[in-house]
Amino acid sequence: SQQGEEDPQALSIQEGENATMNCSYKTSINNLQWYRQNSGRGLVHLILIRSNEREKHSGRLRVTLDTSKKSSSLLITASRAADTASYFCATDNAGNMLTFGGGTRLMVKP
Amino acid sequence: DAGVIQSPRHEVTEMGQEVTLRCKPISGHDYLFWYRQTMMRGLELLIYFNNNVPIDDSGMPEDRFSAKMPNASFSTLKIQPSEPRDSAVYFCASSFPGSEQYFGPGTRLTVT
Repeated sequence: SQQGEEDPQALSIQEGENATMNCSYKTSINNLQWYRQNSGRGLVHLILIRSNEREKHSGRLRVTLDTSKKSSSLLITASRAADTASYFCATDNAGNMLTFGGGTRLMVKP
Repeated sequence: DAGVIQSPRHEVTEMGQEVTLRCKPISGHDYLFWYRQTMMRGLELLIYFNNNVPIDDSGMPEDRFSAKMPNASFSTLKIQPSEPRDSAVYFCASSFPGSEQYFGPGTRLTVT
């Protein structure tokens, strides 16, 4: 069963705009991670946020975590065509084992 | 480091045949994970190992699936006999404890 559920399932924006993806989960977590998957490739880790953290930044990425609402968001600022990919949230709630959501397909039009 | 290495990258086989997928994790990583990805079911964890020992195989769909990790640098996922519904992309990933996972490029399996 999927722990994390991303919203929206698909997102299409113009280059330069910001992209926001949301993730909801059901049980308590140790940490929450975001991954990117380009078509035909393996997943690439983007950012990890621990349950006692509320916000984290990495370059153009900003992740927030609200454990009271069991939700997280990933913001990509000033998007580029190269950001086109699927984005997955994954929760670590049992130590080392991740449960992935269904992903958000992001398309950034040049 | 070359990252997680998987072979073969593509496998086409006929129903009933045995399929063996291979994975070499990143050196030093304690954990190794096998996932399956399909359009219908998304990314599913099949089994994971800690220090070569299987910890949780509850995701293994049936007895036709088996996985081994004979040493810290090698793991196999075997399907015997294979069925068309096993067609998917199979990923191997490795990690340090409590840290991000590094994924291999995947093996695209087609069972006809």
